[in-house]
Amino acid sequence: KQEVTQIPAALSVPEGENLVLNCSFTDSAIYNLQWFRQDPGKGLTSLLLIQSSQREQTSGRLNASLDKSSGRSTLYIAASQPGDSATYLCAVSSGGSYIPTFGRGTSLIVHP
Amino acid sequence: DAMVIQNPRYQVTQFGKPVTLSCSQTLNHNVMYWYQQKSSQAPKLLFHYYDKDFNNEADTPDNFQSRRPNTSFCFLDIRSPGLGDAAMYLCATSTPRGINTEAFFGQGTRLTVV
Repeated sequence: KQEVTQIPAALSVPEGENLVLNCSFTDSAIYNLQWFRQDPGKGLTSLLLIQSSQREQTSGRLNASLDKSSGRSTLYIAASQPGDSATYLCAVSSGGSYIPTFGRGTSLIVHP
Repeated sequence: DAMVIQNPRYQVTQFGKPVTLSCSQTLNHNVMYWYQQKSSQAPKLLFHYYDKDFNNEADTPDNFQSRRPNTSFCFLDIRSPGLGDAAMYLCATSTPRGINTEAFFGQGTRLTVV
């Protein structure tokens, strides 16, 4: 059974810092990995999707990398802004199932 | 334009009173999912449909049921809500299995049980 762990659970940083959020998974036979953003009390917004054959994906100030062999993904946020404050979740589709399995997320606060 | 739409955004129900949450999609995706997310926890899969095939997770309480009358709509029925069922309920869709499967989520329904 796939298990997804996200570290750290919470992070508070001053504006302008570059950040790294970590996601690890136990079953490396994945189809893909998605990073989501969740604002308080809201649903999930997809940020980046990395296919199993890819090493990284970029969107604006966000860069996600994937190392299947070690069961890890990182989300890099450049030049953080207060508007980046949210919870970031990673989800993995793996094995014989296309169903995303989620981590508990990293709660990020960027203060001015 | 919203592609996965959940209604209502906020639902307050009485203890033990049946409640229905709805989800619709404009993506024509085969797969629809319902997740339950409690505070500071990972979304937990309740069940999913692959077309009309219903798949229930082993630990989903019997109190939870689902209906998918057509491709576009899916409903979550809670027959007798308890205080422990208060949570965010997330609906998602995806294309058939494969490496290009990407999940799209709605804005969620926040359920409060009083």
